[in-house]
Amino acid sequence: GAVVSQHPSWVICKSGTSVKIECRSLDFQATTMFWYRQFPKQSLMLMATSNEGSKATYEQGVEKDKFLINHASLTLSTLTVTSAHPEDSSFYICSARGEGGPGETQYFGPGTRLLVL
Amino acid sequence: AQTVTQSQPEMSVQEAETVTLSCTYDTSESDYYLFWYKQPPSRQMILVIRQEAYKQQNATENRFSVNFQKAAKSFSLKISDSQLGDAAMYFCAYGGNTGKLIFGQGTTLQVKP
Repeated sequence: GAVVSQHPSWVICKSGTSVKIECRSLDFQATTMFWYRQFPKQSLMLMATSNEGSKATYEQGVEKDKFLINHASLTLSTLTVTSAHPEDSSFYICSARGEGGPGETQYFGPGTRLLVL
Repeated sequence: AQTVTQSQPEMSVQEAETVTLSCTYDTSESDYYLFWYKQPPSRQMILVIRQEAYKQQNATENRFSVNFQKAAKSFSLKISDSQLGDAAMYFCAYGGNTGKLIFGQGTTLQVKP
């Protein structure tokens, strides 16, 4: 159990375009989802936390107008990178947590590699 | 603010041997959770083991076990009978009242045949 999917796994886009990444919890209801960014051989950096039906909470330094997060249902959250630029190229990972509260384990999606040309 | 430190950027172990990965953390919270996640070359984050801070007994999952020292704020991971498939980057993570995970810098484990 506890499977999280992400789509797409790879995306290459031109500078200035927008890219949407989907994160789905396949076998449980995810009241909270998290979005991370990871550079090669580095740790995960939390970008934002989203709760179903409410606005996302962004970490300090993350542009909320650039990284739009929507958590419209208990199984789906989306991250849209608006007007992407080469510096947005990275590995984006989502995670999902069930209804057990802060102590509940986070389960991670397989990640999305974004390359902006 | 809570912090997590993994002081070993790289470790290596011979196949079938045992290796211990170190992790220390700092917090003023009394109730929290600690995790070890594995990230193989595919970059999929996989939960290895979880420990509740209120439990004195060390968590164990097959060949993986932890040494949780609450007073010392230490949470090391022991991998017994290492296998080639254990080669990965391992992250120690702290989960507190906010529900967010705070990750350490990671330790890259190499398993030699």
